[in-house]
Amino acid sequence: AQSVTQPDARVTVSEGASLQLRCKYSYSATPYLFWYVQYPRQGLQLLLKYYSGDPVVQGVNSFEAEFSKSNSSFHLRKASVHWSDSAVYFCALSMSTNAYKVIFGKGTHLHVLP
Amino acid sequence: EAAVTQSPRSKVAVTGGKVTLSCHQTNNHDYMYWYRQDTGHGLRLIHYSYVADSTEKGDIPDGYKASRPSQENFSLILELASLSQTAVYFCASSDRASNTEVFFGKGTRLTVV
Repeated sequence: AQSVTQPDARVTVSEGASLQLRCKYSYSATPYLFWYVQYPRQGLQLLLKYYSGDPVVQGVNSFEAEFSKSNSSFHLRKASVHWSDSAVYFCALSMSTNAYKVIFGKGTHLHVLP
Repeated sequence: EAAVTQSPRSKVAVTGGKVTLSCHQTNNHDYMYWYRQDTGHGLRLIHYSYVADSTEKGDIPDGYKASRPSQENFSLILELASLSQTAVYFCASSDRASNTEVFFGKGTRLTVV
């Protein structure tokens, strides 16, 4: 069955440190992969997406993610975090065979210490 | 800019009462969705629709109905609200293609007492 796993429910880093948020997916066909961010009392907003080409994709606010087919992963990275990056981050999978079906991970709550 | 507007933003309902959550999109998108967010569960799909006057069950449809009277509007209806339906509800819309993003509203915080 298709699934998205974010193994870390909560991550705490200091401001200026580098960041990696992990995402693993399970899907046999071509995946379309997304990272969304949710700020307090807001809806989800798209950070970046991948569906083909260069496995490293750039997103807003200096975030990037790397797709690995061999590892079934789509990890999110940032070289230097800011306190304003504190939010919940969701990895999501859209299935090429079912346009409506978007599967979200449970989210990773990022806390950046000032 | 693509926009999804939900109303109300928060609501307190009594157990057994009827609740209607409304959603309006100006994206001209075919697909609309209702998700429920609970701590530890992420987002779970309740109902979705890909055309006006038609709705489909998502992963957790029990206790919920949906209505799509037009392309722009999509409602979620709780006929008999229960304590377990206390959650944050998100409406969203997307284009037909799988590789496009989903646009979310800001959510409705529903508390059933």
